[in-house]
Amino acid sequence: RKEVEQDPGPFNVPEGATVAFNCTYSNSASQSFFWYRQDCRKEPKLLMSVYSSGNEDGRFTAQLNRASQYISLLIRDSKLSDSATYLCVVVYNNNDMRFGAGTRLTVKP
Amino acid sequence: DGGITQSPKYLFRKEGQNVTLSCEQNLNHDAMYWYRQDPGQGLRLIYYSQIVNDFQKGDIAEGYSVSREKKESFPLTVTSAQKNPTAFYLCASSPRDRGTEAFFGQGTRLTVV
Repeated sequence: RKEVEQDPGPFNVPEGATVAFNCTYSNSASQSFFWYRQDCRKEPKLLMSVYSSGNEDGRFTAQLNRASQYISLLIRDSKLSDSATYLCVVVYNNNDMRFGAGTRLTVKP
Repeated sequence: DGGITQSPKYLFRKEGQNVTLSCEQNLNHDAMYWYRQDPGQGLRLIYYSQIVNDFQKGDIAEGYSVSREKKESFPLTVTSAQKNPTAFYLCASSPRDRGTEAFFGQGTRLTVV
């Protein structure tokens, strides 16, 4: 079983749609959580951190459920520029940092 | 200009040869990482280092070696023992503090010919 599991998609949605991605992790010792965005043939870049209380950044909302060991990302009012692969990241106490396989999103006009 | 630099961007290697990928950072980060990414796949951890002179194996360390003699540098050697080395290699660094993000280099595309 992979340490971090994500639905690979692809998700194909129209502009303006709301889309949600989920990610589960297996190690309860996980310390920090993030969502990264990766454009085609580029390096990943931080989208947002994920906190137990939930956090929002414009159209993006991230949630963490420690009891069920999953994190989620909600994108509202999708834009064409949101098309990318979204990677969930789990960091353990010893700085071991693991990525999910990524969920590919395509937003269409 | 602070950042993390990988070189070269593209690398071609003959089968059976060792090759070393460079990763340098001037962010004063303690932790550094190497990942491998295959087409349509996520990032798989090869090695990581929390501090100078220390490193740990990730999920796919076989056929790879690393060193961490300086805080700024974490080179990755792809040895001839790596059976399928063609991939996109990404290096990252982060502070050791909780909850802080990692920064990535632009990656090295290695092709074995």
